[in-house]
Amino acid sequence: DAGVIQSPRHEVTEMGQEVTLRCKPISGHNSLFWYRQTMMRGLELLIYFNNNVPIDDSGMPEDRFSAKMPNASFSTLKIQPSEPRDSAVYFCASSRGLAGGRLQETQYFGPGTRLLVL
Amino acid sequence: GESVGLHLPTLSVQEGDNSIINCAYSNSASDYFIWYKQESGKGPQFIIDIRSNMDKRQGQRVTVLLNKTVKHLSLQIAATQPGDSAVYFCAENNAGNMLTFGGGTRLMVKP
Repeated sequence: DAGVIQSPRHEVTEMGQEVTLRCKPISGHNSLFWYRQTMMRGLELLIYFNNNVPIDDSGMPEDRFSAKMPNASFSTLKIQPSEPRDSAVYFCASSRGLAGGRLQETQYFGPGTRLLVL
Repeated sequence: GESVGLHLPTLSVQEGDNSIINCAYSNSASDYFIWYKQESGKGPQFIIDIRSNMDKRQGQRVTVLLNKTVKHLSLQIAATQPGDSAVYFCAENNAGNMLTFGGGTRLMVKP
């Protein structure tokens, strides 16, 4: 299995530009999670999907952030417009999903996208 | 194993010794726990998990212990190797469908 695939691995952009991060979950997994990791705040859950449907986006910082999952094998996280404080490593993770509404399977993480907004 | 801001608790051990990394979790209703290992420049990597109906679970060179009475989780690594050097995170399922991660502990293995 190829694992969770993320692209790009590194992104450097200027403030105000649009940034799109991409994720391909592990085949057969039906839950997908977007996280952000910084030194100051650690690992934060931004949003997660189950069966391509957004379930909880309470971690999305503000309206500049949006995420989509058009099909079971692809998701995007978009920041528009980007700001320097968005600089972080963004991880995508997937799992086999839920049992009885509760997470009972581990999440497998991608390698992350390291974003730097100048 | 909690941290605030830039400071990560660090555990330094000699190669070949056993390591114990501790984690206090927050929610007594949490019923699923995971330990992750994160090496520099990589994503968190699953190590071992445990459900709340168990007190102990063993893997290859790793053991996770769960004490629900005091809401404490520990990861034991036997015969620690240089390749074990990384940041270790505990995570708990405490909100139905999401994991909450601890701040992490840095393990440094001295040759």
